[in-house]
Amino acid sequence: NAGVTQTPKFQVLKTGQSMTLQCAQDMNHEYMSWYRQDPGMGLRLIHYSVGAGITDQGEVPNGYNVSRSTTEDFPLRLLSAAPSQTSVYFCASSYRSELYNEQFFGPGTRLTVL
Amino acid sequence: AQKVTQAQTEISVVEKEDVTLDCVYETRDTTYYLFWYKQPPSGELVFLIRRNSFDEQNEISGRYSWNFQKSTSSFNFTITASQVVDSAVYFCALSPLNTGGFKTIFGAGTRLFVKA
Repeated sequence: NAGVTQTPKFQVLKTGQSMTLQCAQDMNHEYMSWYRQDPGMGLRLIHYSVGAGITDQGEVPNGYNVSRSTTEDFPLRLLSAAPSQTSVYFCASSYRSELYNEQFFGPGTRLTVL
Repeated sequence: AQKVTQAQTEISVVEKEDVTLDCVYETRDTTYYLFWYKQPPSGELVFLIRRNSFDEQNEISGRYSWNFQKSTSSFNFTITASQVVDSAVYFCALSPLNTGGFKTIFGAGTRLFVKA
């Protein structure tokens, strides 16, 4: 199992450019999430999905879009990048389980918007 | 509202010292999970422990121990005989049960420096 994979690992964008951060998991997890990590603020939830075709907003959704066409993939789109979106982005997945809420995290994507 | 507070922004200790990282949480849920994650300088997030609100037993794993006290809404993490490899950012997190983790609230993190 590769677990949760994210690409790219690093990205530099200019203001106004668009791009998609890729996230994939091979554990057949129903739940997937995107977080951003900023200094002194921990991780904040951007969007999440409870299954293919179902997505919802988290705490900081503005400027980001998501879709979930398959169980495995959960891409995050930046429509028009802004310097405020400079951050480290983590994708996570977890089982739909009554027992566990543990999330498995990808290695992160470090994004810089100039 | 849910909230996780890690009041210690940075802690610096000398190797072999014991260190406790504090975590205080707020929630209206009666059932929930608490977590600790480690983020070493390489940047990945490493799961350390999960504790559910029904189980207030303290846990020890090697040099790591966790003290969960529901009465004070705290879930503190102690590293005994710290080592340089323990240098990392540590996050405490809270999640309602049965949400698959997507409603997890993270604290701001505590950066631990362990000097040789």
